[in-house]
Amino acid sequence: EVQLVESGGGLVQPGGSLRLSCAASGFTLSDHYMDWVRQAPVKGLEWVARSRNKPNSYTTEYAASVKGRFTISRDDSKNSLFLQMNSLETEDTAVYYCVRSDSSGYVRYWGQGTLVTVSS
Amino acid sequence: DIQMTQSPSTLSASVGDRVTITCRASQSISSWLAWFQQIPGKAPKLLIYKASSLESGVPSRFSGSGSGTEFTLTISSLQPDDFATYYCQQYTGYPLTFGGGTKVEIK
Repeated sequence: EVQLVESGGGLVQPGGSLRLSCAASGFTLSDHYMDWVRQAPVKGLEWVARSRNKPNSYTTEYAASVKGRFTISRDDSKNSLFLQMNSLETEDTAVYYCVRSDSSGYVRYWGQGTLVTVSS
Repeated sequence: DIQMTQSPSTLSASVGDRVTITCRASQSISSWLAWFQQIPGKAPKLLIYKASSLESGVPSRFSGSGSGTEFTLTISSLQPDDFATYYCQQYTGYPLTFGGGTKVEIK
């Protein structure tokens, strides 16, 4: 069974940093595309970042709103995905979901999410 | 960026009703479209991928159709568990983008 468990969310001041982690189980992480998707309070879904799989050299993509501030990475040996978030803004306040995507691009499995609140 | 527009934003329906939700893309996305269901307080759940392929384990009352720029999600006979918010997502290019959502409420 595919399981994705996020951690690392919390309250941070504007301009601060936070690192989210996602523990994956039930599959081989290196075989799959992995993404972060976020949802601001009472808002819709926004794709944040992608890490392609090992056959695609782990290349990455970012949404324009986070490019240069966020970094997606993974440690396949620990079955873990990460999102390093720097220079946080109030607009980054959201539930962040770790997701596993099909290689054709659609999101297939979702974690339960972790809440990030950026506020002074 | 490819903009995804869903309509209606809210829909009131009764158990047993046939429900149709529309998703329009700002440019052609072929059949690279997925549909998700989100119950309040829960993560979204994949229903449909490649516009019309039903995800394993999803009830057959859910169906998807369309290609190019116009797509529909149909629930043939609305059940109590189906009152939720539905999102479409295009995955033809970056950034991946979602529609704004359609909330299906009890009439």
